[in-house]
Amino acid sequence: DAGVIQSPRHEVTEMGQEVTLRCKPISGHDYLFWYRQTMMRGLELLIYFNNNVPIDDSGMPEDRFSAKMPNASFSTLKIQPSEPRDSAVYFCASSPRVGRRGRGGTEAFFGQGTRLTVV
Amino acid sequence: GNSVTQMEGPVTLSEEAFLTINCTYTATGYPSLFWYVQYPGEGLQLLLKATKADDKGSNKGFEATYRKETTSFHLEKGSVQVSDSAVYFCALSPPGNTGKLIFGQGTTLQVKP
Repeated sequence: DAGVIQSPRHEVTEMGQEVTLRCKPISGHDYLFWYRQTMMRGLELLIYFNNNVPIDDSGMPEDRFSAKMPNASFSTLKIQPSEPRDSAVYFCASSPRVGRRGRGGTEAFFGQGTRLTVV
Repeated sequence: GNSVTQMEGPVTLSEEAFLTINCTYTATGYPSLFWYVQYPGEGLQLLLKATKADDKGSNKGFEATYRKETTSFHLEKGSVQVSDSAVYFCALSPPGNTGKLIFGQGTTLQVKP
């Protein structure tokens, strides 16, 4: 398997523009996660999906952020309008299953990330 | 709530030195515990994991033991190499079938020849 595939790897855009980040999870994985990484805040979970349904979007910073998963093999994270403070590395990850009831889950597999710079 | 605390970095060691990166967690029930590694310009890769108390995860010379009594999962390696220079993240997956991971803040390791 090719692993989790994200595109683009790098994105530079002007403030106010719409930005769309894309992710293809590993085939057969039930969970998909979007994380944001910055020096100041470290790794933050933005949203995650189970079987294409958003489960928890409490980490999405503002209404300018939205995420979709139209099918099991594709997800997007959109920022509209973008602002300089959105500059970060955005990671997509997928996970095959969770553990037995009462136990923790299994590991997540990460993509290479998209480095977003908003100028 | 659930949280992970790692020792602050950066950690700078000479080649062949012993490495310990401390990690403690707060969680109810029995979380799974993980160490991830991030090399420059890359995504996170799973280094090792443990799913129940007293389990020892190991990989590439790194080890960590799930200690429920001290709520810890410290990462150790007996002899580090320059190629181990990276950022290391401790993480937990809470019980309850949510699938999500909660990460510590990361610890940068720099190994000098």
